[in-house]
Amino acid sequence: GAVVSQHPSRVICKSGTSVKIECRSLDFQATTMFWYRQFPKQSLMLMATSNEGSKATYEQGVEKDKFLINHASLTLSTLTVTSAHPEDSSFYICSPLGGTEAFFGQGTRLTVV
Amino acid sequence: AQSVSQHNHHVILSEAASLELGCNYSYGGTVNLFWYVQYPGQHLQLLLKYFSGDPLVKGIKGFEAEFIKSKFSFNLRKPSVQWSDTAEYFCAVIFNDYKLSFGAGTTVTVRA
Repeated sequence: GAVVSQHPSRVICKSGTSVKIECRSLDFQATTMFWYRQFPKQSLMLMATSNEGSKATYEQGVEKDKFLINHASLTLSTLTVTSAHPEDSSFYICSPLGGTEAFFGQGTRLTVV
Repeated sequence: AQSVSQHNHHVILSEAASLELGCNYSYGGTVNLFWYVQYPGQHLQLLLKYFSGDPLVKGIKGFEAEFIKSKFSFNLRKPSVQWSDTAEYFCAVIFNDYKLSFGAGTTVTVRA
């Protein structure tokens, strides 16, 4: 099956700093990448959709200047949480689209203190 | 608005019991339907999917789901669960693009 690598799996950062999350599709190319956020006991909420080489499309209520997405290649996408605050603490999951099927990274637990 | 509903938040059952998890969606058009499972500490994994054809879909690990268009439902079933089926189960729907909309998830706890 398709292999997706997401790093880091856990990160703790101070309020006001930035955190970069990487997502790699190791054995397939992903033109489209989805980024999700999951709060405790809630479902995955789509944050943004990015296509390789293009600007990401953000869902309503998601600040594009706060959550910077770069999808510079077909195997790598990054999400940078800028000037993180405690309310940004959450579980972030990447999902590269391989053909017509979406695969998922293992997620990144972000804690902002 | 398009939405996905999972009826059960937490299900607790014993090994060998039968499992059925409900999933309903609100949309009158063509949909693609999925069930994902997330075992503790692991990635989301695809259990099964329905795009078209036979509405009874068989997936991995003995799971199956039935698409009932008239009821806007895609319930997941397993005749006899094992302790290893303890996990979080998510129903997901693609309504009219590539974006997945997820239900809230159901935690299934199987007691040995």
